[in-house]
Amino acid sequence: AQKVTQAQTEISVVEKEDVTLDCVYETRDTTYYLFWYKQPPSGELVFLIRRNSFDEQNEISGRYSWNFQKSTSSFNFTITASQVVDSAVYFCALSEATGYSTLTFGKGTMLLVSP
Amino acid sequence: KAGVTQTPRYLIKTRGQQVTLSCSPISGHRSVSWYQQTPGQGLQFLFEYFSETQRNKGNFPGRFSGRQFSNSRSEMNVSTLELGDSALYLCASSWGTSGNKNIQYFGAGTRLSVL
Repeated sequence: AQKVTQAQTEISVVEKEDVTLDCVYETRDTTYYLFWYKQPPSGELVFLIRRNSFDEQNEISGRYSWNFQKSTSSFNFTITASQVVDSAVYFCALSEATGYSTLTFGKGTMLLVSP
Repeated sequence: KAGVTQTPRYLIKTRGQQVTLSCSPISGHRSVSWYQQTPGQGLQFLFEYFSETQRNKGNFPGRFSGRQFSNSRSEMNVSTLELGDSALYLCASSWGTSGNKNIQYFGAGTRLSVL
């Protein structure tokens, strides 16, 4: 069975601080995908990134960066120089590397960025 | 390109009633998945439809059902509503195949309140 753990329930930072959201996963599959989604107050889940289990390269996209470490089953997400607009709930998710689209989500981390 | 559209956005029903939620996927996407989001259980997978066939199902009672039409639009039905069915119901669409196109894009959800 697959499982995703986001131990941080809520994080509060002041604007311009860097913040890292932790994600630890469990799976028996040898190939899988990892995802991060953002859920603003409007409710829609916004896709941020997908990482294939074969690709352990870290990725940077603007102020966002992701650190995937297969050895520790972690896929952490860092926001550099946080902004108030980053306030949202962030979900880490896991799926099989097949056509099946089922996502297993963590409980989410609520990020509050104050001015 | 239009995103995933869910209607209605809000619903209020009473116990024992039934409800139908609708989801129009991104043009060209053949897979539609449904998720239930509650404060206690988080995001849980309900079912996935691909080319009008249910391809995968989560651990929900038979009161929850769905279908997909030839144009890939999907409906979800909940019969004999219970108070615990109050939740945000999210629909996601994807190409439904393995590889780089296996990313789910979500709609804004339907918030169902059962009184």
